[in-house]
Amino acid sequence: AQSVAQPEDQVNVAEGNPLTVKCTYSVSGNPYLFWYVQYPNRGLQFLLKYITGDNLVKGSYGFEAEFNKSQTSFHLKKPSALVSDSALYFCAVRDLNDYKLSFGAGTTVTVRA
Amino acid sequence: GAGVSQSPSNKVTEKGKDVELRCDPISGHTALYWYRQSLGQGLEFLIYFQGNSAPDKSGLPSDRFSAERTGGSVSTLTIQRTQQEDSAVYLCASSKGLGGVLAKNIQYFGAGTRLSVL
Repeated sequence: AQSVAQPEDQVNVAEGNPLTVKCTYSVSGNPYLFWYVQYPNRGLQFLLKYITGDNLVKGSYGFEAEFNKSQTSFHLKKPSALVSDSALYFCAVRDLNDYKLSFGAGTTVTVRA
Repeated sequence: GAGVSQSPSNKVTEKGKDVELRCDPISGHTALYWYRQSLGQGLEFLIYFQGNSAPDKSGLPSDRFSAERTGGSVSTLTIQRTQQEDSAVYLCASSKGLGGVLAKNIQYFGAGTRLSVL
C-alpha cells in the first residue's frame, strides 16, 4: 500500500519570501515521487519528480524538492515566491510495481503581494 | 494532440440520467488513467488502461461506473443512473506506459470534466 500526507491545508507567504510545501509518504518499495500544481478550473500540471539519484530535484517555474529517505519526506520549495504561484499543490507517490498515483489531500498556497 | 483533451468541460445532469465523459490522450501514449477529484475524497484513482485493456477496475466506486478505450486512443467513462454523490471533477491522464521502469513515466492530465448531478 502507498499513501501520501500533506500536513498543511494552507500555506501563506509574502511575495519574495521562501515557500515550502510539506509532503511525507509511505510505500512498501522504492518510491517514485511527484509534485503537481492545479490552478482554478484547470487540470494538474506536472512540476517535478524524484526517481533515483540526487536528493535535490529541480523542476518547472523555479521549484525544487528535496527527497529525504530517512524522514520519508519530499518537501517542495521555492526560494522566492511569486503571487502567480498561488495555487493548489499535490504531492503524489507511485511504487515501482504499481500503476496508479496516490495523491495527498493538497495544500493551498497563497502568496500575498 | 498537444495535450490530454477532455469533453465536455462541464456537465449538468439530473439524478438518474446516464452520462458519458470523453478523454483523448496525448498521441502515442499507451497508458490512460481516470481519477476523480471531489471535496470530501480528494483525488481518487478509478481505472487505468494499457492499450485497450483495463487490467484493474477495482477503483471504480460502483457497478454504475464503466469505462472503455478503443483503438488504443480515446476513452469513455460512463456513469449510469447518476447520483448526487457522483458530482465531482473527473480527470483523465495519459503516459507513455507503465510497469517496471516505465512506472517512472509522468502522467499528464487533462483539464477535467466537472459533473454536477442535480
